[in-house]
Amino acid sequence: DGGITQSPKYLFRKEGQNVTLSCEQNLNHDAMYWYRQDPGQGLRLIYYSQIVNDFQKGDIAEGYSVSREKKESFPLTVTSAQKNPTAFYLCASSMGRGAYEQYFGPGTRLTVT
Amino acid sequence: AQKVTQAQTEISVVEKEDVTLDCVYETRDTTYYLFWYKQPPSGELVFLIRRNSFDEQNEISGRYSWNFQKSTSSFNFTITASQVVDSAVYFCALSIITQGGSEKLVFGKGMKLTVNP
Repeated sequence: DGGITQSPKYLFRKEGQNVTLSCEQNLNHDAMYWYRQDPGQGLRLIYYSQIVNDFQKGDIAEGYSVSREKKESFPLTVTSAQKNPTAFYLCASSMGRGAYEQYFGPGTRLTVT
Repeated sequence: AQKVTQAQTEISVVEKEDVTLDCVYETRDTTYYLFWYKQPPSGELVFLIRRNSFDEQNEISGRYSWNFQKSTSSFNFTITASQVVDSAVYFCALSIITQGGSEKLVFGKGMKLTVNP
């Protein structure tokens, strides 16, 4: 089946630790995105990548880092610099330029204590 | 500013009622796209529709219909004869072009719909 996978579904970490969230797609999409969702806040864009080896900061990039070494993979690292990392993280992909619809993964719920 | 406003945060209806979800957008672009997504309790967002700014025709898909009006900058979504399975959070989104020439979506804050049996 074609789609986007995110792992794990739930992730628990201690404060001060970096953690990497996985996102893989087999849709052959050029563009990939990371969003953060907090209750009542909607989705906020963290980072996005239109092509391999290129990515841009979104609206709330501070405390996060990404890489895009392969077309199908776009991992997100939540660093210890992120002040409020507990949230629901969603990865998405699209065909790229042209306002194509984005397709979303199942999300990872990160809890940092 | 380029933004999407979903004024309703939560609606509760009884099964078989019709319900309309409002979406108002602001953009400086002349060409733009609007989207609706559904987020069921499982968490994954499901794409429902994309509409470009040049096409103001209403769209119907089964029990779902969309009304796009540029004059009022609105893209409202109606569910006819609602069902319990329609219970979800619904997001309206607007595509924008960044200063660097990339495209990204701006989402509204979402509207939680609860359909009671």
